[in-house]
Amino acid sequence: AQRVTQPEKLLSVFKGAPVELKCNYSYSGSPELFWYVQYSRQRLQLLLRHISRESIKGFTADLNKGETSFHLKKPFAQEEDSAMYYCALLSNFNKFYFGSGTKLNVKP
Amino acid sequence: DAGITQSPRHKVTETGTPVTLRCHQTENHRYMYWYRQDPGHGLRLIHYSYGVKDTDKGEVSDGYSVSRSKTEDFLLTLESATSSQTSVYFCATGGSGTTTGELFFGEGSRLTVL
Repeated sequence: AQRVTQPEKLLSVFKGAPVELKCNYSYSGSPELFWYVQYSRQRLQLLLRHISRESIKGFTADLNKGETSFHLKKPFAQEEDSAMYYCALLSNFNKFYFGSGTKLNVKP
Repeated sequence: DAGITQSPRHKVTETGTPVTLRCHQTENHRYMYWYRQDPGHGLRLIHYSYGVKDTDKGEVSDGYSVSRSKTEDFLLTLESATSSQTSVYFCATGGSGTTTGELFFGEGSRLTVL
């Protein structure tokens, strides 16, 4: 069965510090993984997906199939990065499964 | 933002009453989803649709039914609401081909069951 795990409910860092939001998954097929973000009073929106291998707003994420992880990283956090972050997995049947979310709080 | 609207945005109802939430999209997306968002659980899939009249269950489908009679609309019905169904409900859409691709979300519907 598919499962997405985000072990941290809350992550607090100071502005300018590196940040890493953890995501682990279990899935028997070939996974397609995403990070979604929800800023205050805004809709959930796509941040990045592993197949595009791009950096969005300074964030990157690498799929590690050996460790079944897709951690989200940013070298220097900004206050505007404060938001709720969700890791998501797309299954073969076009079902998206989300983790429980990590709230990132970037302190000034 | 994709043209996805949910109605009602807020609803308070009593235990045992039926409730229907509507998701309307103007993007001609093939796939539509209903999720519920609860603290500590994140987003959990209730039902999804892969085409008109084609639907399937998600992780937490008990107590919920859906219908999709046309591409634009995906209805979520709670036949007899319970307090455990108090939540924020999100609709999402995606894909015009064989894969979903990126998901686009509605603004959410906050349901309180007293």
